[in-house]
Amino acid sequence: DVVMTQSPLSLPVTLGQPASISCRSSQSLVHSNGNTYLAWFQQRPGQSPRRLIYKVSNRDSGVPDRFSGSGSGTDFTLKISRVEAEDVGVYFCVQGTHWPPVFGPGTKVDIK
Amino acid sequence: EVQLVESGGGLVQPGGSLRLSCAASGFTFSNYYINWVRQAPGKELEWVANIDPDGSNTYYVDSVKGRFTISRDNPKSSLYLQMNSLRAEDTAVYYCARGVDYMFDFWGQGALVTVSS
Repeated sequence: DVVMTQSPLSLPVTLGQPASISCRSSQSLVHSNGNTYLAWFQQRPGQSPRRLIYKVSNRDSGVPDRFSGSGSGTDFTLKISRVEAEDVGVYFCVQGTHWPPVFGPGTKVDIK
Repeated sequence: EVQLVESGGGLVQPGGSLRLSCAASGFTFSNYYINWVRQAPGKELEWVANIDPDGSNTYYVDSVKGRFTISRDNPKSSLYLQMNSLRAEDTAVYYCARGVDYMFDFWGQGALVTVSS
């Protein structure tokens, strides 16, 4: 199975400052059809996961534009341009290119 | 509005069985792959199983093959997970999640399954 790693695993951030989370895969996530199936999720305390980004850089409807995704191959990044209090939670990546789909371990974001 | 609502969780003894349900609304259920994803306490998310739109093909993670069965009832817009021979390591919150290319665009609120004597 593909192994997904994230760094850092814990990220204390200052309100209004940027934040960046890295997600790496053990194999290229470029599918034979040319798409890259990498998504990012936010899980606020006590809530179910909410998708933010799909296929590397496509923002879901209703997701603030301070969230952006980038990357290619095996290295991917989720960036929050200016962290707000409501962004506290755990952020996961998932790969859907290779079966079975595998989630990253999660990065816990909290406010300094 | 897309909604997925799980039910059927609870406490069960090792070796026991439990059936989870997921009621869907707000979209054409019969057009979508639907998944079960679980999250054990303090652990990362783990994909468990999925089923294709007409229910003819199902897929499972190796750790549940032969013990869990995913099924669906399209006229009722419902998804099910029959879990047999439950083990302590199956303890988790189980989510149903709509899946397009395993990109899991909508999730339910989850159902807690606890396997303990």
